[in-house]
Amino acid sequence: GAVVSQHPSRVICKSGTSVKIECRSLDFQATTMFWYRQFPKQSLMLMATSNEGSKATYEQGVEKDKFLINHASLTLSTLTVTSAHPEDSSFYICSADPTGRETQYFGPGTRLLVL
Amino acid sequence: QKEVEQNSGPLSVPEGAIASLNCTYSDRVSQSFFWYRQYSGKSPELIMSIYSNGDKEDGRFTAQLNKASQYVSLLIRDSQPSDSATYLCAVNDGQAGTALIFGKGTTLSVSS
Repeated sequence: GAVVSQHPSRVICKSGTSVKIECRSLDFQATTMFWYRQFPKQSLMLMATSNEGSKATYEQGVEKDKFLINHASLTLSTLTVTSAHPEDSSFYICSADPTGRETQYFGPGTRLLVL
Repeated sequence: QKEVEQNSGPLSVPEGAIASLNCTYSDRVSQSFFWYRQYSGKSPELIMSIYSNGDKEDGRFTAQLNKASQYVSLLIRDSQPSDSATYLCAVNDGQAGTALIFGKGTTLSVSS
């Protein structure tokens, strides 16, 4: 159990376009999901906490208007990178926290390349 | 500022040896502790969780927790080349729905 999927696994886009990444919990419900970003050879950086039915909580330094998060159901959270630029190229990973538990399970990640 | 500290490594051990990975944390109220393994280019994978002082064993992995010393470790017995990865220590305050605080990870290299 505790499987988290992400789609797409890899995306290449032109600068200025928007990219949507989906994160789904396949076999459990998650009131909370987390979005991380990881640059090459660096540690995970928490971007935001996504709460079902309410606004996401963003970490300091993360632009909420650039990284739009929607958690419309107990199994789906989406991250939209708006007007992407080359510096947004990174590995985006979501994790989900099964309702009533503390353990987080990670999705396989989405590698974004902005040209 | 809550912090989790790990030696970045690399930690190099020969195949079959015991690899010992260490982690310290700053927040005394932390209640839950996790070890994740991350292969290069992949997302983290949960390998162990521990909540009480003492040892917890799962196959070749043993997690050790000492809350008084704010210290958690992971031992990997009979290390295999496939264990070569970055190991992330993570802690939280024991409440569901709160973000984990991650260390920067220790890179383990197991040579055959």
